[in-house]
Amino acid sequence: AQSVTQLGSHVSVSEGALVLLRCNYSSSVPPYLFWYVQYPNQGLQLLLKYTTGATLVKGINGFEAEFKKSETSFHLTKPSAHMSDAAEYFCAVSVWNTPLVFGKGTRLSVIA
Amino acid sequence: DAGVIQSPRHEVTEMGQEVTLRCKPISGHDYLFWYRQTMMRGLELLIYFNNNVPIDDSGMPEDRFSAKMPNASFSTLKIQPSEPRDSAVYFCASSLQITYGYTFGSGTRLTVV
Repeated sequence: AQSVTQLGSHVSVSEGALVLLRCNYSSSVPPYLFWYVQYPNQGLQLLLKYTTGATLVKGINGFEAEFKKSETSFHLTKPSAHMSDAAEYFCAVSVWNTPLVFGKGTRLSVIA
Repeated sequence: DAGVIQSPRHEVTEMGQEVTLRCKPISGHDYLFWYRQTMMRGLELLIYFNNNVPIDDSGMPEDRFSAKMPNASFSTLKIQPSEPRDSAVYFCASSLQITYGYTFGSGTRLTVV
């Protein structure tokens, strides 16, 4: 079965610094990969997704992620953190018409 | 479209009581999912439906949990009887396809005392 591992339950960055949230997946077949963001007391919102084609995927709010098959990774990045980026971020994987399986999440704090 | 609508937003109930959570998916979405979120276990899939038919309920923790989707615009998740360990945030999500991005509701925060 597919699975997702998010390295680091909490990441703290300074405002304006690079954001890097790590996600590694396990799958024996080509995966569909997703990043979601959850703000306090809200549902999950889709940031970006990789299905097929270009391995560098751009999403909302300046985030992007790169699918690296050789490393089984799908790390999320943003060049410059903003205070409004503080939230919980979830990586998810789906294969072979199966529902999304989510990682445990990474809480991003942005320090002024 | 108003998105996925869940009710109530918050529910506080006493142990042993019946709890019913409700969800209205986005019109035209053929898939509906119920997830539970806790600090310890993260986001867990409880059950999902395709065209109103339950496809996989292997994530439902116990027989105390049941879910229905009587039509394309409404689903319920029922817990009877409720227990304190059921306290969590329950999310409903819908999608056009199972591998597409899902649209989540705002969730129901359930507290069982």
